[in-house]
Amino acid sequence: DADVTQTPRNRITKTGKRIMLECSQTKGHDRMYWYRQDPGLGLRLIYYSFDVKDINKGEISDGYSVSRQAQAKFSLSLESAIPNQTALYFCATSGVGASTDTQYFGPGTRLTVL
Amino acid sequence: GDSVTQMEGPVTLSEEAFLTINCTYTATGYPSLFWYVQYPGEGLQLLLKATKADDKGSNKGFEATYRKETTSFHLEKGSVQVSDSAVYFCALSPYRAGSYQLTFGKGTKLSVIP
Repeated sequence: DADVTQTPRNRITKTGKRIMLECSQTKGHDRMYWYRQDPGLGLRLIYYSFDVKDINKGEISDGYSVSRQAQAKFSLSLESAIPNQTALYFCATSGVGASTDTQYFGPGTRLTVL
Repeated sequence: GDSVTQMEGPVTLSEEAFLTINCTYTATGYPSLFWYVQYPGEGLQLLLKATKADDKGSNKGFEATYRKETTSFHLEKGSVQVSDSAVYFCALSPYRAGSYQLTFGKGTKLSVIP
């Protein structure tokens, strides 16, 4: 079984709809991250969380919100989706100690906003 | 701020050719450096990493050496295979207390033809 899972894997929605993307991990990591990937732009950080009570904005948080429901679950919401939020979204986790700088990624959610 | 610049693709090579993907970085302090690989339809996987100057990361025949004097972390492989076709991302993680954000390059798409 995959250590970091994301649901759904694909989603098509319409402008103005509220969308939630979910991420779960079985790695026992404290830190979780949400990125978006756009062609030619690499990955950009949306939000990150060091534990259940610690949530921080990343580089491009406008238009997004997150919820850390438990150590293993981190959800990303688009309150009112717009077409330029069409992208590939990745969740990632990292642990503590010697490998805290290494992140482990889920398979991604492809979101299309019409 | 921190940044990563990697050679633009796409790169097309014949099987068994030598691969170099250039990566240079700008960062304060002593960041850890990474190469991630994204196979078609999948999430990012850590390929290799190096945490200090002159360290060499290696995995699956790929190598990269942390060169602080030239702020570079070029990816090399002596003989590529069709299965190496993927997008490769160079990334850095700064060594700053409380900050564990990865900064990615824009990615280089590699296609290996038989």
